[in-house]
Amino acid sequence: DTEVTQTPKHLVMGMTNKKSLKCEQHMGHRAMYWYKQKAKKPPELMFVYSYEKLSINESVPSRFSPECPNSSLLNLHLHALQPEDSALYLCASNLVPGQGASGELFFGEGSRLTVL
Amino acid sequence: SQQGEEDPQALSIQEGENATMNCSYKTSINNLQWYRQNSGRGLVHLILIRSNEREKHSGRLRVTLDTSKKSSSLLITASRAADTASYFCATVSKSNYQLIWGAGTKLIIKP
Repeated sequence: DTEVTQTPKHLVMGMTNKKSLKCEQHMGHRAMYWYKQKAKKPPELMFVYSYEKLSINESVPSRFSPECPNSSLLNLHLHALQPEDSALYLCASNLVPGQGASGELFFGEGSRLTVL
Repeated sequence: SQQGEEDPQALSIQEGENATMNCSYKTSINNLQWYRQNSGRGLVHLILIRSNEREKHSGRLRVTLDTSKKSSSLLITASRAADTASYFCATVSKSNYQLIWGAGTKLIIKP
C-alpha cells in the first residue's frame, strides 16, 4: 500500500467546472510533486514544492493551480480544463528536494481525470 | 524533460522465464532508478543504482549499469503473472538533480 494518499480516485468534470485534487503524506517528506501521465507514456513533471514553496513549474497552463497548505498536503486546483487534459494525475513525495537525488519517489495511486 | 530510451517497448514471455529490459540515457547521472506501474495505478520504486555501482540485486531483480555506454538493464528472474506491468527507468541528472524518465517497457507474463 502506498503511503501517499490521493483523492478522488476518479473525477469527471465539464470544461466550465472547478474541482480540486488532493494529496496527503505523513512520512515527513519535504518535497512534493504533481505529475501528469497519459496512457502508455511516462509521467510528465508539472510542479515541485520544496519545503512548502513552489520551486518548479514546468510551464503548466494557468488552468492548473497548485497549492501546498502545509508540509503534508498538496492540492491541484482545476478550472476551465480542456478535454486534452484528461489523464492520470500522480502525486509523489520524497525526503528532501532534488527529485531522485535523495532516493526513491513515493507515488500515490493517482486521480483519473476525465474532462468532457 | 528529455526522455531516456527503453527497449523493448513491449515484451511478452511465459511464466517462469527471465525478462530483460534495457534503458539508455544521454547525460551524466547521479543515479538510475527503476519503477513498476500496474495498469492505471501509481508507480512503485523497485531499485536504485548509483553511478559508481555496476550491479545491484534485490530479490528476483538484478540491475546493471554501464556508465561508459550510458545504459542499464533490469533482469527479472523466474517471472510470475504478478510481474505483468509497465517498467520505467529514471535517471537523476548529476548537473541539476532532475529526474528524466524513459519511455517504459510493457511486460506481459503469460501463465
